[in-house]
Amino acid sequence: DAGVIQSPRHEVTEMGQEVTLRCKPISGHDYLFWYRQTMMRGLELLIYFNNNVPIDDSGMPEDRFSAKMPNASFSTLKIQPSEPRDSAVYFCASLLSQEGTEAFFGQGTRLTVV
Amino acid sequence: GEDVEQSLFLSVREGDSSVINCTYTDSSSTYLYWYKQEPGAGLQLLTYIFSNMDMKQDQRLTVLLNKKDKHLSLRIADTQTGDSAIYFCAELPYSGGGADGLTFGKGTHLIIQP
Repeated sequence: DAGVIQSPRHEVTEMGQEVTLRCKPISGHDYLFWYRQTMMRGLELLIYFNNNVPIDDSGMPEDRFSAKMPNASFSTLKIQPSEPRDSAVYFCASLLSQEGTEAFFGQGTRLTVV
Repeated sequence: GEDVEQSLFLSVREGDSSVINCTYTDSSSTYLYWYKQEPGAGLQLLTYIFSNMDMKQDQRLTVLLNKKDKHLSLRIADTQTGDSAIYFCAELPYSGGGADGLTFGKGTHLIIQP
C-alpha cells in the first residue's frame, strides 16, 4: 500500500475562496482523522470518521469547515469561505481499530490563504 | 478531556543522549506514541507503548513510562544530526470499544549542536 495519500501538497488561495483538501486512507483502515497543525496551536484534531461515519467533529473550528467521507477510500475537508487564519498544514491519518495499532499519517497539505 | 504537555525546545550536543519528556492526563488504559516530524514532511511513528508497560527499547530509542505520574519520556542515545526534528507525544485512550482521536502534544523541537 502507498500509505495515506493527500492532495494537493500545497495550496495557495485568496481569502473568500473555497478550498477542498483530499485524502485517501490506507485500504482496509476503518478510522480516518483530519488534523490541523499551526505553530501557535500545535496539532489539533478536527474530526474523525469510523466506517465512513463522522464520530466527533467537536474540533472543527467553525461552520466554514466541513468534512465528508463518501466511501471507505476517500475523504474531503472543505473550507468555504477561506480566511488567512486558516493557513496551516492539514494532515489526514488512518487507523485500523485493533489493539496495538498505529495511526498512519499523510504528508500533509500546506494551505496558505492570502 | 485529555491533555498532553511537552516542552517546546531541547538542545543537545551531537553524540550526547537526548531526553524528551511528556505528561498526559488520561487515566484509562491508553496507548502512548512518539512521532517524529522532519521539516516539510509528515509525521512518522517512532515507537509506542501501552500503559501496562514501564519501558520499551528499540535500538537507540528508549521509552520510559511512569504511569503513577503520567509521565512519558523518549531517550535517543548518541544523538545525530539526522535526529533534528520535532517530536510529538500522543495519547490514544483505548476502552476496547474502538479508537478515539489521538491527542497530541504541541511537539518538542530537538536541536543538535555540532
